[in-house]
Amino acid sequence: QKEVEQNSGPLSVPEGAIASLNCTYSDRGSQSFFWYRQYSGKSPELIMFIYSNGDKEDGRFTAQLNKASQYVSLLIRDSQPSDSATYLCAVYNNAGNMLTFGGGTRLMVKP
Amino acid sequence: SQTIHQWPATLVQPVGSPLSLECTVEGTSNPNLYWYRQAAGRGLQLLFYSVGIGQISSEVPQNLSASRPQDRQFILSSKKLLLSDSGFYLCAWSAMSNQPQHFGDGTRLSIL
Repeated sequence: QKEVEQNSGPLSVPEGAIASLNCTYSDRGSQSFFWYRQYSGKSPELIMFIYSNGDKEDGRFTAQLNKASQYVSLLIRDSQPSDSATYLCAVYNNAGNMLTFGGGTRLMVKP
Repeated sequence: SQTIHQWPATLVQPVGSPLSLECTVEGTSNPNLYWYRQAAGRGLQLLFYSVGIGQISSEVPQNLSASRPQDRQFILSSKKLLLSDSGFYLCAWSAMSNQPQHFGDGTRLSIL
């Protein structure tokens, strides 16, 4: 069983729409949650991190965490073609002392 | 501000040849350092991590090794490369284990 799961996509949304990316994790002891964006051929770039239940907003991005349901999501408002990339969810677990990455969701924003 | 440098950007090596990839971090002290590999179209696989000089933890047994000769230097090595070692190698740093990791630009390694 994968520890961090994401739908591989592609998720296709029209320009200006809200893109919703989801991630589930298996370990209830997970403490810290991160979203990375990776353009094709490039290295991952940190977008957001969230530690507490609820929403965290940064510009067009909102991270949502629900520890009871063991999921974390990333909303991208007013999606732009430049948002087209693979989005990686990463979860930190204190017991394992390591960050586990999901396989990523490929997002395509169509003009 | 902190920066992470990784080189070379691309590398083409024959099977059986040695490997040395280097990563350095600037602007911070005693960072946690990580080596990942990403196969084409796949997720990130943690290879090694280090919480201090000379301290290396291996996550995946293989023909690769890592060393941390200085506080902000992390080296990935192999004595004999295999075809399966091809991939995108990424170095990352974090201030602490539960803090965000920041990645270098990566090295694309092709084995012929």
